[in-house]
Order: sequence, then C-alpha cells, then structure tokens
Amino acid sequence: DQQVKQNSPSLSVQEGRISILNCDYTNSMFDYFLWYKKYPAEGPTFLISISSIKDKNEDGRFTVFLNKSAKHLSLHIVPSQPGDSAVYFCATKKEGAQKLVFGQGTRLTINP
Amino acid sequence: DAMVIQNPRYQVTQFGKPVTLSCSQTLNHNVMYWYQQKSSQAPKLLFHYYDKDFNNEADTPDNFQSRRPNTSFCFLDIRSPGLGDAAMYLCATSRDRSGGSDTQYFGPGTRLTVL
Repeated sequence: DQQVKQNSPSLSVQEGRISILNCDYTNSMFDYFLWYKKYPAEGPTFLISISSIKDKNEDGRFTVFLNKSAKHLSLHIVPSQPGDSAVYFCATKKEGAQKLVFGQGTRLTINP
Repeated sequence: DAMVIQNPRYQVTQFGKPVTLSCSQTLNHNVMYWYQQKSSQAPKLLFHYYDKDFNNEADTPDNFQSRRPNTSFCFLDIRSPGLGDAAMYLCATSRDRSGGSDTQYFGPGTRLTVL
C-alpha cells in the first residue's frame, strides 16, 4: 500500500511559466516533507523541505506548500527554467526515524 | 568534492549468482542507506546502518544482506538474485539519525540486470 503518491508521471511546462508538482500522502503522522530532484545518471539531490508545523517554505524560485487537512504537498517552481527538467520525488519522514518514504516521481520537462 | 560513490554503475549477473554492490562516501556521515528502485516506482528503503548498528526494514527479503566494514564503505550482497531483483540500487548517507529534516545524500546508483 503506497503511502506517498505522485499521480502525474510527467509534466510539460513552457519556460518562464510556473511548474506545479503535486504529492499526496496517507499517513498523518509524518513530520517532514521533502522534495528531491534527479537528473539522468545521477542520484537524487535534496531540493527543499517543510516541517508539518508549517504550511509554506520558500527558497528562491522554489516554494513548497503543505495542506495537512488534505494530506497534500506541492512544489511550485517559478519561473521555470530548462535546467529544471528532471524527475522530482516527494518524500516524507517521521521525526527521529531515518526512513524516507518516496513517491514514484514526476518527470518535469521545461520547453524553451 | 565530498560525495557518495557507487561501483559499479552497471552490473549484470546471472540468475542465482551472488552479486555485491559497493558504496563509499567521503562525507564522514554516520548513517548509510540502501534503497531499491524498480522501473517507474518509488525508491524503497532496504536497510540502513547507523555506525555499525544494522537496521533492517521488515519487508526486506532475506536474500538481501549488507556489510559496513568501516565508516566509509557499505556493501549490498544479493545472495541469489532473481529476475525480480533487477532494479536500480541507490546508496545514501546522512550525518545523523535524529535530525528531523537531516538531508540524505545519494550516490548515482548501480543498475542491476539479472539474466
């Protein structure tokens, strides 16, 4: 039973526009929510995270929103750039635990 | 640059033939992890080491084992690979086990093919 779901396998966005990647989770006990970015032939790299006590965290062009009542997480990238083309994974974890629970990933393509 | 290195990047083995995947890190992190990622699926944690303390996930098959001879190295041993074990195997490290948003740093992965 998958606890973290990214229902869109792929997303295509025009350069300069906003990219919105979505993630749903089932376990309300998760304490932290993270986004990882993966380029081909490389491992995932950490992008941004948010604690369950917040509903928004911003880092430059990247903003993560958390809606706890809906158990929904989203990543906004604005403006989107060609270098943002990658697979994006959302992940969750509980405080004090090492285990990251990942979604399946969404492949984002930024078109010039 | 400090990093997580995985060797080999591609590994082909025969059905039932034991195989070992290698991971090394120059980050001097306490925790090392092994994830399995099958095609178009989420990475799934197999086990992790905190220093020499081994922590197995409940649903990790007995066919998968791990060794961590020192801080820098960690190995994934698959005793009798089956066709269903073909996957990308990702090694990751983190500084500590208790930090809430403690970042995990991933290697590039080893893609295992089982013939």
